[in-house]
Amino acid sequence: DAKTTQPPSMDCAEGRAANLPCNHSTISGNEYVYWYRQIHSQGPQYIIHGLKNNETNEMASLIITEDRKSSTLILPHATLRDTAVYYCIVRVAGTSYDKVIFGPGTSLSVIP
Amino acid sequence: DAGITQSPRYKITETGRQVTLMCHQTWSHSYMFWYRQDLGHGLRLIYYSAAADITDKGEVPDGYVVSRSKTENFPLTLESATRSQTSVYFCASSEASGVAEQFFGPGTRLTVL
Repeated sequence: DAKTTQPPSMDCAEGRAANLPCNHSTISGNEYVYWYRQIHSQGPQYIIHGLKNNETNEMASLIITEDRKSSTLILPHATLRDTAVYYCIVRVAGTSYDKVIFGPGTSLSVIP
Repeated sequence: DAGITQSPRYKITETGRQVTLMCHQTWSHSYMFWYRQDLGHGLRLIYYSAAADITDKGEVPDGYVVSRSKTENFPLTLESATRSQTSVYFCASSEASGVAEQFFGPGTRLTVL
């Protein structure tokens, strides 16, 4: 079973912030939260990752709750090109990948 | 060009035939991965490799064989293709560091008739 839970779909108005939630209530202390996205017919693309602190890069911000049981990916000014499926996954750094699971993700539609 | 490439991009084959999907990366990444993507299942890990000559099973390895004789190549073979193996296959690579992100190839769309 997937270790994360995401809403199947969301809409966001162009220019507005898109906030994509992810629940990972069984996350272990040494597991990182990763976000990827997949634009239609392309391979997934890495966005951001974090352990416990909030993270920001040129693409997005990642907010992780203090208890680490959930997180939110924020696209500050969504554009039409951000329409994609967004995957939240958790995994332990530096160990085997056999338990890495990409669930169905959240299909984000950015609306003009 | 540097990056990760897959070939062929599209393949149609028949049940029972052997098919090999190729994956090549130019970054000298230690880790390489094969995923399949089907509607309703997201991405599922088939096999991965931590280095040349080291491979491990993922979530759905049955019916697939991999090899890694060179760091840059990670071919995936379907020894006797079945219709249930019709899917889009993605290859990925990452650095050896524990928190490194994975870089994905463009995918191979395989249809087994």
